[in-house]
Amino acid sequence: GQQLNQSPQSMFIQEGEDVSMNCTSSSIFNTWLWYKQDPGEGPVLLIALYKAGELTSNGRLTAQFGITRKDSFLNISASIPSDVGIYFCAGQLRAGANSKLTFGKGITLSVRP
Amino acid sequence: DVKVTQSSRYLVKRTGEKVFLECVQDMDHENMFWYRQDPGLGLRLIYFSYDVKMKEKGDIPEGYSVSREKKERFSLILESASTNQTSMYLCASVPITYMNTEAFFGQGTRLTVV
Repeated sequence: GQQLNQSPQSMFIQEGEDVSMNCTSSSIFNTWLWYKQDPGEGPVLLIALYKAGELTSNGRLTAQFGITRKDSFLNISASIPSDVGIYFCAGQLRAGANSKLTFGKGITLSVRP
Repeated sequence: DVKVTQSSRYLVKRTGEKVFLECVQDMDHENMFWYRQDPGLGLRLIYFSYDVKMKEKGDIPEGYSVSREKKERFSLILESASTNQTSMYLCASVPITYMNTEAFFGQGTRLTVV
């Protein structure tokens, strides 16, 4: 099955640093979602993007829906230890019945105090 | 708040056992999904259902089946568990809205097959 491209698999940053994550696809999506998964838990939605070019913020998080509809990025500013976890991007071509989300493999973020 | 509840956080089963993983959501969502999550492989779709008694194969359905007898409940069945099915299993539900789509996940079931 199709997957979105997220790399690298792991990132290590210092507390207080900003970090940016990209997600790319060979095909277009009409919805982009960013999830965070804490250790031992299910993923939780961070930001949802529904329009090409859209830039949305949620606290220290900012995400953008690429203008080509084939990519998205997530930026975390002033990182803190509780930002550790796995960050997944997800894309959806169409909403409604029988719709599916396509996920990236995730990026594991570690924050050094 | 939407709640998606998986029946167990941790399970240990023996090879060859029939295993049931249950998922219940309380927001009347039409679409429900089962994923497995393995290190380095991300989330892989096993099966999904968009209505009661309807099911569709995902990307890795082999060795699994599903049941959706009621709208709120979606069960994943391992007919004869094998060690390569040791994994984290995640259930998700999604409403049918033609404008916005957000998948809500359960807390996950970590299954170990010995």
